[in-house]
Amino acid sequence: DAGITQSPRYKITETGRQVTLMCHQTWSHSYMFWYRQDLGHGLRLIYYSAAADITDKGEVPDGYVVSRSKTENFPLTLESATRSQTSVYFCASSDRGEGLHEQFFGPGTRLTVL
Amino acid sequence: GNSVTQMEGPVTLSEEAFLTINCTYTATGYPSLFWYVQYPGEGLQLLLKATKADDKGSNKGFEATYRKETTSFHLEKGSVQVSDSAVYFCALRMTTDSWGKLQFGAGTQVVVTP
Repeated sequence: DAGITQSPRYKITETGRQVTLMCHQTWSHSYMFWYRQDLGHGLRLIYYSAAADITDKGEVPDGYVVSRSKTENFPLTLESATRSQTSVYFCASSDRGEGLHEQFFGPGTRLTVL
Repeated sequence: GNSVTQMEGPVTLSEEAFLTINCTYTATGYPSLFWYVQYPGEGLQLLLKATKADDKGSNKGFEATYRKETTSFHLEKGSVQVSDSAVYFCALRMTTDSWGKLQFGAGTQVVVTP
């Protein structure tokens, strides 16, 4: 499918488990982003990437790890899930950083940590 | 730091009513401003944008004007439809940020009843 996809769409896990959320885009966009959406906070940036093997921390990176070995994929890993990481996670991509280049969002992954 | 403040929701109104969602920002420098919309169960979509003072963004009957003097970017629509029911996010991006990172407000839920 063309566009930006996320998997799984829904995930329930337990505290302490490792979880990886996948993000895949077919546009060959250079820039990719991970956000979490929580009531009252809007979307907060977790990590972002400008190209393969170039990543940096956003506003709320603690407890998360990212990698980007290929341009089209940007997985987000929760190394040891905590209840506070229960959230909806959105991946986004953009072809450029500067200017008004639009960020395109995936459909989201709803993660519940029990 | 930079921040975006939106009016709290939910905003409930009848079909064909006038909609205004207030958005103000704080930024050290000159941001570009955006409105994104999230329909139920979906990711965010860009609704409109503006890059400098007095610019007006418009799309699908929605409008917003970049007001530097009041640091605001209020969203308006003259006659809403049931299909406009969604969560609306105001966001900013600093023009000096080569990564294109977005900073979002908390979001405002809009419910339009027939």
